[in-house]
Amino acid sequence: QKEVEQNSGPLSVPEGAIASLNCTYSDRGSQSFFWYRQYSGKSPELIMFIYSNGDKEDGRFTAQLNKASQYVSLLIRDSQPSDSATYLCVNYGGSQGNLIFGKGTKLSVKP
Amino acid sequence: NAGVMQNPRHLVRRRGQEARLRCSPMKGHSHVYWYRQLPEEGLKFMVYLQKENIIDESGMPKERFSAEFPKEGPSILRIQQVVRGDSAAYFCASSPPSADSNSPLHFGNGTRLTVT
Repeated sequence: QKEVEQNSGPLSVPEGAIASLNCTYSDRGSQSFFWYRQYSGKSPELIMFIYSNGDKEDGRFTAQLNKASQYVSLLIRDSQPSDSATYLCVNYGGSQGNLIFGKGTKLSVKP
Repeated sequence: NAGVMQNPRHLVRRRGQEARLRCSPMKGHSHVYWYRQLPEEGLKFMVYLQKENIIDESGMPKERFSAEFPKEGPSILRIQQVVRGDSAAYFCASSPPSADSNSPLHFGNGTRLTVT
């Protein structure tokens, strides 16, 4: 059974700081990882995807993947109050559309 | 371009009644996926459908739950004889015909089912 583990938080950071969100996964053979953001009462929306070891940067977001340690992270630079949401670490489940979601980490950015 | 549309947004049913949740995919999308989010839990995959075909129903409970995506009209997730444990948010997602396993899913805003 593939699993994705996240600290539920809440993670609180001041405005302008770097927010670091972490995730571990159980399936050593996993190749594809996604980070989704979900505002309260809203749908999950894709922020980043990463398939290769190392870092991938997109604007203020950096995704990091370490397959040897089975570890994925998301860094948010210059955090804004509008970044306050639940961040979902997601692993491809092995068949199309079958994604394994973590329970999410709630991020709160204080002005 | 409208996104994935789900209705109703909120649905209240008494134990033993039937719940019907509807999902219209994004324009041009022919693949539909249903997920369930129980309180304090992550989203769980339920079923993947294409027009008139169930492709993967490995996440569907064996009893009382069914899904369809007819040639015309929205996809329907049907829950018969609902119980309190069915109370959850049900999300629908869609992807285009060219989607593969690495394609992102576009989610609707969900239907929140409450069973009293």
